[in-house]
Amino acid sequence: NAGVTQTPKFQVLKTGQSMTLQCAQDMNHEYMSWYRQDPGMGLRLIHYSVGAGITDQGEVPNGYNVSRSTTEDFPLRLLSAAPSQTSVYFCASRWTGGSHNSPLHFGNGTRLTVT
Amino acid sequence: SQQGEEDPQALSIQEGENATMNCSYKTSINNLQWYRQNSGRGLVHLILIRSNEREKHSGRLRVTLDTSKKSSSLLITASRAADTASYFCATDTGGTSYGKLTFGQGTILTVHP
Repeated sequence: NAGVTQTPKFQVLKTGQSMTLQCAQDMNHEYMSWYRQDPGMGLRLIHYSVGAGITDQGEVPNGYNVSRSTTEDFPLRLLSAAPSQTSVYFCASRWTGGSHNSPLHFGNGTRLTVT
Repeated sequence: SQQGEEDPQALSIQEGENATMNCSYKTSINNLQWYRQNSGRGLVHLILIRSNEREKHSGRLRVTLDTSKKSSSLLITASRAADTASYFCATDTGGTSYGKLTFGQGTILTVHP
């Protein structure tokens, strides 16, 4: 049981380049989400999904796309990277069967630098 | 905007002392959760307290919740150097925000041996 796995761990992009941050979980969690963490800003929600085929925007969705074709995977796409997207990105999932009272399980993050 | 605001932003104590961190929030919640983050790692869940609970314990951790004041506190007793980390509160407002957690900015705790 690997939990939440994020790849890559580190990435450097040039402005305008595109890339996909991968996230996979093996806990059969319906809910998955992406956060970005910036100094002094805490974690801010980018996009989330409550199940396969369903996605929705969080607090800071601009510049990012997501899709959820399977329960296990929730990739985050940067279509045209900008320096403002330099951040640490965390994927997290949670079990939502029955109630809201369950914790988030986090991956170890992807540190992205856009030059 | 951030739902949770944490205080203090940084806390430095000696091993063996107690550490108290506070979290205030703005809207009604379904539950409030505390997480820990070691440097360079993902967040790890510590404890969840439901809106109808006032206090919860887990090992050396004690969490209180005052819904009338919209505030929570996390107490770590008999701290150890290994407790050095950032601590975040997160609120779940339930309803149409099903599953979403909103995080505070965190408290950086340093425990000196």
